[in-house]
Amino acid sequence: DARVTQTPRHKVTEMGQEVTMRCQPILGHNTVFWYRQTMMQGLELLAYFRNRAPLDDSGMPKDRFSAEMPDATLATLKIQPSEPRDSAVYFCASGLVRDRGIHEQYFGPGTRLTVT
Amino acid sequence: AQSVSQHNHHVILSEAASLELGCNYSYGGTVNLFWYVQYPGQHLQLLLKYFSGDPLVKGIKGFEAEFIKSKFSFNLRKPSVQWSDTAEYFCAVNGVDSGGYQKVTFGTGTKLQVIP
Repeated sequence: DARVTQTPRHKVTEMGQEVTMRCQPILGHNTVFWYRQTMMQGLELLAYFRNRAPLDDSGMPKDRFSAEMPDATLATLKIQPSEPRDSAVYFCASGLVRDRGIHEQYFGPGTRLTVT
Repeated sequence: AQSVSQHNHHVILSEAASLELGCNYSYGGTVNLFWYVQYPGQHLQLLLKYFSGDPLVKGIKGFEAEFIKSKFSFNLRKPSVQWSDTAEYFCAVNGVDSGGYQKVTFGTGTKLQVIP
């Protein structure tokens, strides 16, 4: 049963610290998404990759967020420096793009980030 | 640009009541449509999807959705809800963004509360 995995599941950090979240997409999927979910803003798309190349990161605050895919089995989302307003659940999702478009996304369990 | 509107933000129903959640999308080309569900404290999971063919699609747990192209709608229905259906429901559309790449856009979600 293939699943998207994310680490850590929970992270509490102080303002100003660097935070790195990791995601392992499902093997064979060629698209990876990063989302942020908060009560106030709901589900926001931060970035997405196809075949490891970043296609759109317009949803990310560029000055502090960065997303990469160093290889096909790992996607990372970094926040440096972190701020209390970054507190949220961060979801990674992977999917497969075929002729008709993206087939369903499979979501990871999320990283619950708290910045104090 | 594509967009998705979910007009009902919070729905409260008694068990055995019928459910219909509205979803309207804005996009001029061929679309793939999805409904995802997020149970409390969990990640998003696919309920059902429409790519082509029969506009009435059936998903898991007794849910179904009907694609009405002329109305740009993809409403979710269930004849009789259960307490375990309490969750947040997201409609999503997959089209092509301004850069020519496949992209999935989520609606803001509808929180469903089922009262025993």
